[in-house]
Amino acid sequence: EVQLVQSGAEVKKPGESLKISCKGSGYSFTNYWIGWVRQMPAKGLEWMGTIYPGDSDTRYSPSFQGQVTISADKSITTAYLQWSSLKASDTAMYYCARLGYSGNDAAQFDYWGQGSLVTVSS
Amino acid sequence: EIVLTQSPATLSLSPGERATLSCRASQSISRYLAWYQQKPGQAPRLIIYDVSNRATGIPARFSGSGSGTDFTLTISSLEPEDFAVYYCQQRNNWPKITFGQGTRLEIK
Repeated sequence: EVQLVQSGAEVKKPGESLKISCKGSGYSFTNYWIGWVRQMPAKGLEWMGTIYPGDSDTRYSPSFQGQVTISADKSITTAYLQWSSLKASDTAMYYCARLGYSGNDAAQFDYWGQGSLVTVSS
Repeated sequence: EIVLTQSPATLSLSPGERATLSCRASQSISRYLAWYQQKPGQAPRLIIYDVSNRATGIPARFSGSGSGTDFTLTISSLEPEDFAVYYCQQRNNWPKITFGQGTRLEIK
């Protein structure tokens, strides 16, 4: 069974750093892209970026480039999303999701983590 | 960037009725158009991929269609559990992925 299990809720202050995780199991972790998706309170879904754990090839949305860092440790089948200096506007639910293939192309998010709620408040 | 525009923003229908949700792309999409369902407090769930293919375990009352810039998600006869927010998503200009802003399907 494919599973993505994310780390728990976090409450942080502005300016603090944070790294949240997403552990994959039940499939070949190195052969599928993992994406991160932000959902701000009562808002829609925003793609932040994706990583291919096999070689750590990482692609960012222009809206998030330079704001976050996506990484992966294939030895423990875990992907990460991190901030070096949080802002109140980073308050959101963050989902990781696996990109399933259509033919040879990674195309749709077929499995999702349960979400990690990040609250940034002074 | 390919922008996806969903309409209507909110759709109010009764159980048993037919729902038609629209997703319009700012430029032509070849095939990689997916739909997701999200219920309150839950992660999104894939329901349609490649425009018209139902994901595993999705009931036959859900169907997807369209081509070019206009795509539709149809729910043939609404069940109480279908009331949720629906998002379309594309990846045709890889590596960029975009979502529509969502359609809220509510009980009338």
